[in-house]
Amino acid sequence: KAGVTQTPRYLIKTRGQQVTLSCSPISGHRSVSWYQQTPGQGLQFLFEYFSETQRNKGNFPGRFSGRQFSNSRSEMNVSTLELGDSALYLCASSFRGGARNSPLHFGNGTRLTVT
Amino acid sequence: QQQVKQSPQSLIVQKGGISIINCAYENTAFDYFPWYQQFPGKGPALLIAIRPDVSEKKEGRFTISFNKSAKQFSLHIMDSQPGDSATYFCAASKGGADGLTFGKGTHLIIQP
Repeated sequence: KAGVTQTPRYLIKTRGQQVTLSCSPISGHRSVSWYQQTPGQGLQFLFEYFSETQRNKGNFPGRFSGRQFSNSRSEMNVSTLELGDSALYLCASSFRGGARNSPLHFGNGTRLTVT
Repeated sequence: QQQVKQSPQSLIVQKGGISIINCAYENTAFDYFPWYQQFPGKGPALLIAIRPDVSEKKEGRFTISFNKSAKQFSLHIMDSQPGDSATYFCAASKGGADGLTFGKGTHLIIQP
């Protein structure tokens, strides 16, 4: 079974631009969640989607948004990029959703650099 | 407010030794405590997880010890091997659609 696939692997953007990251979950998984990883703040929960509905959102500004499609694939969008948005963005899929309900399987991330 | 505190930040252990990483949490609503292992260039991978109704869980060389009254849990890696060199994260979660709250990570180096 293929794992979680994130594209692109690397992105370089300029302050003020917007960016869209993509995630394809493991086949059969209906939940996708997104995390931001930085050296200073570590791993932080962004949001979780299950069957195209956002079920939970972390403590991030409204510039961070996402969506999930009927095939469970998900996209994350960051608008008006700031230097502090430079991070590794990780997508995780699970069968049932909710981190305690079924194991999260992480992709290898998209490395975003904002200049 | 850091809800899950992890220590040490880095750890060097000789091959064959025991690696011990500790975490403490504040929110008593947490009821699921996983450990993740991350290699450079890869996403975190679930290693082992525990719920607060048990005090210890063992899978191969990896053991989680859980102390509910102290709100602490730890990962023990027995017979540590160079291939165990990675960054380890503890985490915690509540029910429902709650995401994982991660500790800051421990960079573990196993010296041959």
